[in-house]
Amino acid sequence: DGGITQSPKYLFRKEGQNVTLSCEQNLNHDAMYWYRQDPGQGLRLIYYSQIVNDFQKGDIAEGYSVSREKKESFPLTVTSAQKNPTAFYLCASSIRQGVEKLFFGSGTQLSVL
Amino acid sequence: GEDVEQSLFLSVREGDSSVINCTYTDSSSTYLYWYKQEPGAGLQLLTYIFSNMDMKQDQRLTVLLNKKDKHLSLRIADTQTGDSAIYFCAETLVGGYNKLIFGAGTRLAVHP
Repeated sequence: DGGITQSPKYLFRKEGQNVTLSCEQNLNHDAMYWYRQDPGQGLRLIYYSQIVNDFQKGDIAEGYSVSREKKESFPLTVTSAQKNPTAFYLCASSIRQGVEKLFFGSGTQLSVL
Repeated sequence: GEDVEQSLFLSVREGDSSVINCTYTDSSSTYLYWYKQEPGAGLQLLTYIFSNMDMKQDQRLTVLLNKKDKHLSLRIADTQTGDSAIYFCAETLVGGYNKLIFGAGTRLAVHP
């Protein structure tokens, strides 16, 4: 079955440490996205990529980095510069056909030790 | 400006209809969406409506759009316990890419 896989489901970060969240899709979608979800708030866009080897900053990119070396993969690194990293992180992909139908992974909960 | 607003909580009795409301600010929105999020999971697209439509029905779901008031609603008929989730309203802004703006989500609690 096609879908988006995020791993790990839970992740703990020590102070000063960089951590990487994995996102893989087998839907053959060109566009991929990373969102951050905080309780009681809507999803905020961190980074997005429309094609391989290209990505753009979203609304809250500071303290995060991404790469898009393969169509299927869009990993997100939460760097030590991100001072408030505790959140639920959601990866999504879409096929660009006017209607922006996003398919989401099951998310990664990142917490600070 | 970009803003999508929803009430945060709604409680309904099983079998009743649920109505979740949303207001948005950008009149250039092309599509408006409703997503559902179950606990600890990602979002699932429920339905969407093109901005030149007033209503869309899909089985138990009815979407109403009032462009003049920039108001979107989702009606769930015969609400079941399995409908308990967070419902997000979102709009697409036309720009360099079709950016989605999400509301904060409405938590729907269905009780017997």
